Amino acid sequence: QKEVEQNSGPLSVPEGAIASLNCTYSDRGSQSFFWYRQYSGKSPELIMFIYSNGDKEDGRFTAQLNKASQYVSLLIRDSQPSDSATYLCAVKGGGSYIPTFGRGTSLIVHP
Amino acid sequence: GAVVSQHPSRVICKSGTSVKIECRSLDFQATTMFWYRQFPKKSLMLMATSNEGSKATYEQGVEKDKFLINHASLTLSTLTVTSAHPEDSSFYICSANTGTSGSYNEQFFGPGTRLTVL
Repeated sequence: QKEVEQNSGPLSVPEGAIASLNCTYSDRGSQSFFWYRQYSGKSPELIMFIYSNGDKEDGRFTAQLNKASQYVSLLIRDSQPSDSATYLCAVKGGGSYIPTFGRGTSLIVHP
Repeated sequence: GAVVSQHPSRVICKSGTSVKIECRSLDFQATTMFWYRQFPKKSLMLMATSNEGSKATYEQGVEKDKFLINHASLTLSTLTVTSAHPEDSSFYICSANTGTSGSYNEQFFGPGTRLTVL
């Protein structure tokens, strides 16, 4: 059984701070990793994906992947109240093209 | 990113009726589409994987006769909730993979359909 674990939160950070969201996965053969943002009552929106070890930056977002530790994280710099949402981690690979989703971490950015 | 549309966005129906939800990939061809269900404040639950031109693969515990999936073309998949009951009320979301099936393609979600069964 492939598992993707996320702390459900909520993670509360002040506006302007760095929010750090973490995700661990059980399948060592996993190959691709995705972060989605889901606002309340809306569907998930893809914000980042990463395939290789290391960091990948896109604007205020940085995804970090460590395959040896089976760990992927998402950093949000200069957090804004509009970043308040649930962030879902998804993992694919290991012989399957079907993603496994974590339960999501609720992020609250307070002014 | 790629665009996936869903219709209708919201539907209210009486118990016992059937409801069809359409999912379309607007600017790409999707060989694989997925159907999810999400209850309030709960995580996404994969219901089935739909491949163009073949039967859908249902997750354990999902009744294939109740949730009929048809993936007739590379841009359209439909989910029909047959004889809907109040416990079927939920947020139904489809998604589609870009490119060919594999680990290195991205998955985009439709906006979702909120079903309320009275």
